[in-house]
Amino acid sequence: QSALTQPPSASGSPGQSVTISCTGTSHDVGGYDYVSWYQQHPGKAPKLMIYEVNKRPSGVPDRFSGSKSGNTASLTVSGVQAEDEADYYCSSYAGSDNFFVFGTGTRVTVL
Amino acid sequence: QVQVVQSGAEVKSPGASVKVSCKTSGYTFTNYGITWVRQAPGQGLEWMGGISTYNGDTYYAQKLQGRVTMTADTSTSTAYMELRSLTSDDTAVYYCARDAFGMGNWFDPWGQGTLVTVSS
Repeated sequence: QSALTQPPSASGSPGQSVTISCTGTSHDVGGYDYVSWYQQHPGKAPKLMIYEVNKRPSGVPDRFSGSKSGNTASLTVSGVQAEDEADYYCSSYAGSDNFFVFGTGTRVTVL
Repeated sequence: QVQVVQSGAEVKSPGASVKVSCKTSGYTFTNYGITWVRQAPGQGLEWMGGISTYNGDTYYAQKLQGRVTMTADTSTSTAYMELRSLTSDDTAVYYCARDAFGMGNWFDPWGQGTLVTVSS
């Protein structure tokens, strides 16, 4: 099972929008509405930010949003803030043979 | 609140086995599964497998089949992950997380991570 493809890096100035893509196949991202996104600060455990493509857990700021089109999912941070600087990973359910797959990860830098 | 606390760092020799524990609290243990994910130094996240704490069913990543065993003790709300025949490629931080397999397929919250170092 290959990892989902994410850009290695993304950046934006405070207040700007940053969008990260996550490209898979019809066997994972395109086949199920079970894409989730995780934020990981250096030396820390990942934190769930988005689940089921576009749902936000309680406590996650509403500047974080998710979407999906075909085999590509996206995470958008609208009005990025300094504390959003971190690594972001997408994940997708991939069926009963492979179960779950993570993306390659994207480092978001706030300029 | 929901908490997931893992056992401490381990140093193992090549060929040995390691067993990491994951103690949970703040929710009904058998209502959610436990998933295990590892992260090699400077690398991304790798899904290893998971266990249904309700019935003990396990599901493993194909590359680890035969080398990993995941178990759960409902009396102590603790899950375990054992990895055998360790090599230097298994050096990583190992995370457990509560999972909603079949109910949304998300992982939350995560434990603090357990560093496993394989070195001769």
